[in-house]
Amino acid sequence: GAVVSQHPSRVICKSGTSVKIECRSLDFQATTMFWYRQFPKQSLMLMATSNEGSKATYEQGVEKDKFLINHASLTLSTLTVTSAHPEDSSFYICSANREGASPYNEQFFGPGTRLTVL
Amino acid sequence: AQSVTQPDIHITVSEGASLELRCNYSYGATPYLFWYVQSPGQGLQLLLKYFSGDTLVQGIKGFEAEFKRSQSSFNLRKPSVHWSDAAEYFCAVGSDSSYKLIFGSGTRLLVRP
Repeated sequence: GAVVSQHPSRVICKSGTSVKIECRSLDFQATTMFWYRQFPKQSLMLMATSNEGSKATYEQGVEKDKFLINHASLTLSTLTVTSAHPEDSSFYICSANREGASPYNEQFFGPGTRLTVL
Repeated sequence: AQSVTQPDIHITVSEGASLELRCNYSYGATPYLFWYVQSPGQGLQLLLKYFSGDTLVQGIKGFEAEFKRSQSSFNLRKPSVHWSDAAEYFCAVGSDSSYKLIFGSGTRLLVRP
């Protein structure tokens, strides 16, 4: 149990296009999901916290108009990278918090999405 | 501000040898501490965590970690490494107020046959 999936696992797009990444909790309901960005050989950096039915909370320095987050259901959060540019190329990872549990005890990570912008 | 330092970018050990991965944190109060492992193409898997109590915590896959407040450290150990342990290991710290995780830069473990 407690599986989080991400789709797509890898995407290549042209500069200026928008890309949507899905994060799904497959066998549990997630009230909170987190989006991270990971550069090669670097740490995971939290981008935003997504709560079901409300607006996401973005970390300082993250452009909310560029990284649109929607958490419309208890099993799905989406991250849309709008007007993507080569500097947006990165590994994007989501995690989901099981409903009713402390995030620290029940936070599960997806396998990540590799975005390459040409 | 919270921060996590993993001073070793790469570590290579022989299979069957012992392992210690270093982690130092900066946090004003008692931190919530975690170790995760990431294999290629897979999500992060929680190895163990420390919230309070016994400073030596046991995790999955034979890993353990010791919280040392005086040294602001939470080093991960394993007495005998297996080839399947080769992966990227991340130390993380969290606060009780925001539930955010701050990750270290990771240590890549290579295992020699």
